[in-house]
Order: sequence, then structure tokens, then C-alpha cells
Amino acid sequence: ELKVEQNPLFLSMQEGKNYTIYCNYSTTSDRLYWYRQDPGKSLESLFVLLSNGAVKQEGRLMASLDTKARLSTLHITAAVHDLSATYFCAVDPMDSSYKLIFGSGTRLLVRP
Amino acid sequence: SAVISQKPSRDICQRGTSLTIQCQVDSQVTMMFWYRQQPGQSLTLIATANQGSEATYESGFVIDKFPISRPNLTFSTLTVSNMSPEDSSIYLCSVEVVGTATNGYTFGSGTRLTVV
Repeated sequence: ELKVEQNPLFLSMQEGKNYTIYCNYSTTSDRLYWYRQDPGKSLESLFVLLSNGAVKQEGRLMASLDTKARLSTLHITAAVHDLSATYFCAVDPMDSSYKLIFGSGTRLLVRP
Repeated sequence: SAVISQKPSRDICQRGTSLTIQCQVDSQVTMMFWYRQQPGQSLTLIATANQGSEATYESGFVIDKFPISRPNLTFSTLTVSNMSPEDSSIYLCSVEVVGTATNGYTFGSGTRLTVV
């Protein structure tokens, strides 16, 4: 059974700093998704990573996928307060079910 | 990508009652997914709903507690039956559309349920 582990679970960082959120998963997959959730809101799609070595960037966020290591990273550059949210990675287990298995989420707080 | 209208957005319900949550999609989709997000937790898949067939439930979820309807390719409902405070969660529907591999999965706005 596919397991998805995300760390850290909580991240408090100052504005202007850089940090990386990690997403490890336990079985083979080359489809990984990153989502953002603001308090009381639904999920917003950030990145879709579909192959080994995929790298995508949007603003201060950059996501990458290493399918051999079963690892994805979400890198935050020069954080700003507006990035405060919970970030989830989700993995497609590639078993024709099309469902997603979610990580536990990383709650990010960017302090002034 | 698809746009999903989910309602109600929130409700406060008495224990022992049932609540039906609706999701309407602006395009035809093969699969619809229902997730539960307990307070402060991640998302857990309840079931997958295909049009014209019984929903497929994940381990720990049963049809008697969470009956699902999927009458056509744009609509689905999830009922939370005989509610208890432990059912207090956010419930979200999600869809898989053509081009999902490129666009990702889309989620409804969620239903925040509080059972008292």
C-alpha cells in the first residue's frame, strides 16, 4: 500500500528566507501533485509533476520530482507572508484507480 | 479544467441525522472522488463514484454510512448518515477529467460539517 510522508509537518520561517518541504513515497509512481490549502478553504492545484526529473516553478515556489528516490521537493525562495498556508503533496499509486494518496501536509507560517 | 459547485458550504447538524452533500461539475467526467478531511488532518479518500455503477469504497468506509449517488456524468451526492460528532469534518469532492495528467485533479469548495 502506497504511503506518502511529508516533512516537516509545521514550518515557521521569516520573510525573505528559503526552505524546502519534502515528500517521500513508498512505491513506484511518476505522478505527483502539490496543492495549497488556506484555512477553511478547498485545495488549490500548484504543480503537476509527471516524470522523473520534472521541475516546475511558479513565482517563489519550485517543485521537483525524483522518481528513483521516490522524493519530491517544494522549495520556497525568499518567503513572503502570502505564502502562509498548508501544503500537501499527493501521489497517484499508478494502479488504474486514479485516486490520490495525500501526505500529511505541511503547515507553513511566514513571519514578518 | 473543470469547475465544481459543491453545496452546502457548511452545516451544523444534530447527531443521529443525515446530511446530503452535492457536487455539480460543469463538464462530463468519468470519475468523481469523495474525500474527508478531519480537523487538522490530511485528506482521506472515502469512495470513487462512477456513473452507472456502485461506488467503490476505501477501507474503513461503508455504503450504509456514506451512501453515494452518481446519476449522470456531471453530478454526484454523498450522504453522511446517522451522524455523530466524530463525523465533523470537511468533505470534498474531486474530479478526474480528460487531461488530468496535465491539469491535475480539481476539488470542490468543500462542505464543513459540524455535528453537535
